[in-house]
Amino acid sequence: ETGVTQTPRHLVMGMTNKKSLKCEQHLGHNAMYWYKQSAKKPLELMFVYSLEERVENNSVPSRFSPECPNSSHLFLHLHTLQPEDSALYLCASSPGGANTEAFFGQGTRLTVV
Amino acid sequence: AQSVTQPDIHITVSEGASLELRCNYSYGATPYLFWYVQSPGQGLQLLLKYFSGDTLVQGIKGFEAEFKRSQSSFNLRKPSVHWSDAAEYFCAVGRAIYNFNKFYFGSGTKLNVKP
Repeated sequence: ETGVTQTPRHLVMGMTNKKSLKCEQHLGHNAMYWYKQSAKKPLELMFVYSLEERVENNSVPSRFSPECPNSSHLFLHLHTLQPEDSALYLCASSPGGANTEAFFGQGTRLTVV
Repeated sequence: AQSVTQPDIHITVSEGASLELRCNYSYGATPYLFWYVQSPGQGLQLLLKYFSGDTLVQGIKGFEAEFKRSQSSFNLRKPSVHWSDAAEYFCAVGRAIYNFNKFYFGSGTKLNVKP
């Protein structure tokens, strides 16, 4: 248990559905991250929020929409996804500043049908 | 640009044998280096980290890693592997950007342990 909680753990959605992934941390961390992990690919950084401000957007398609309403919560809103978006979506948080590591949640296994 | 290379995609070792997983990084400044482990369908768990000081760092589960600046390497080692060590291992480098860190991950090494 790292203190980063992701819900749901598994999600199956159709290409026309709208769903949201939730990430929560009560570690007092300033930075939160979304990563995508596909089979046979390295972890892809999608978004970074620092102090609730989006500071990184790695050319992610607009069908993925992040939201960080406060420093403890991070959402990833999904709509009109494609089958190739099926992956493990990992949330992480970090205290920020130098000499700090990332703490990961358990991930949400997303399947787009 | 920062990058992390893990040259071995799969490694198989016998239980009780020693293990070394390779990691090479490319980074202009003093790197922050990490090793994470991931069991199937799970998140990443930090095994150990290097920020500065002693180049041999100890981690959880009996793992250690050695930072070698001259070789741009941060290899992970364990003297005697247990069946429960079967998992995927990721090396990462961190870069401080203002008030947050950006983490760059290698593509991972999948470890199989033979009985």
